[in-house]
Amino acid sequence: GDSVTQTEGQVTVSESKSLIINCTYSATSIGYPNLFWYVRYPGEGLQLLLKVITAGQKGSSRGFEATYNKEATSFHLQKASVQESDSAVYYCALRNSNNRIFFGDGTQLVVKP
Amino acid sequence: EAGVTQSPRYAVLQEGQAVSFWCDPISGHDTLYWYQQPRDQGPQLLVYFRDEAVIDNSQLPSDRFSAVRPKGTNSTLKIQSAKQGDTATYLCASSRLGGYTGQLYFGEGSKLTVL
Repeated sequence: GDSVTQTEGQVTVSESKSLIINCTYSATSIGYPNLFWYVRYPGEGLQLLLKVITAGQKGSSRGFEATYNKEATSFHLQKASVQESDSAVYYCALRNSNNRIFFGDGTQLVVKP
Repeated sequence: EAGVTQSPRYAVLQEGQAVSFWCDPISGHDTLYWYQQPRDQGPQLLVYFRDEAVIDNSQLPSDRFSAVRPKGTNSTLKIQSAKQGDTATYLCASSRLGGYTGQLYFGEGSKLTVL
């Protein structure tokens, strides 16, 4: 079935250092999935960070970027230089052909000053 | 544009009690989702509607959970005879199918604790 895996429950990075949060997926629908990163900042609701609909494309927002790699079935989130304000929980998600959206378990990013 | 509104924000129950959660989606959004998010896990789909029709409720524990969206706008998720395992945050999300890019708009959630 369709699923998303985030292997790290928490990632700690010093401010101004680079970040990568891993995401791999399993999908059965031909021509899908569409891939997303959602984020929950402290005290706020879940919101979309970026999305990529087509394999091979890259999405970016707020200095974050992620590339839809169909061969590796991956959609890792990266940022070159994190800030303390990036501390949040990040969720990788996929949408299948039945319009169901599956989420990973989330990765808590802690940015140390 | 007003966001997705959920109530109540918090509920604390004894096992066996019932609770209802209410969701008001963004105006004009025809698709509405209910997710269950246990602590330290990702959101897990319970049910989703297009207008008033249930499209997928395959993950809804039908013996105790029910969800309705009678006029294709607001929705109610009800849990009968709650169990400790139902402790979680219940998230409502909406989207517009036309021109759909997959983005969901979430409410702040209703946090349920079953003692």
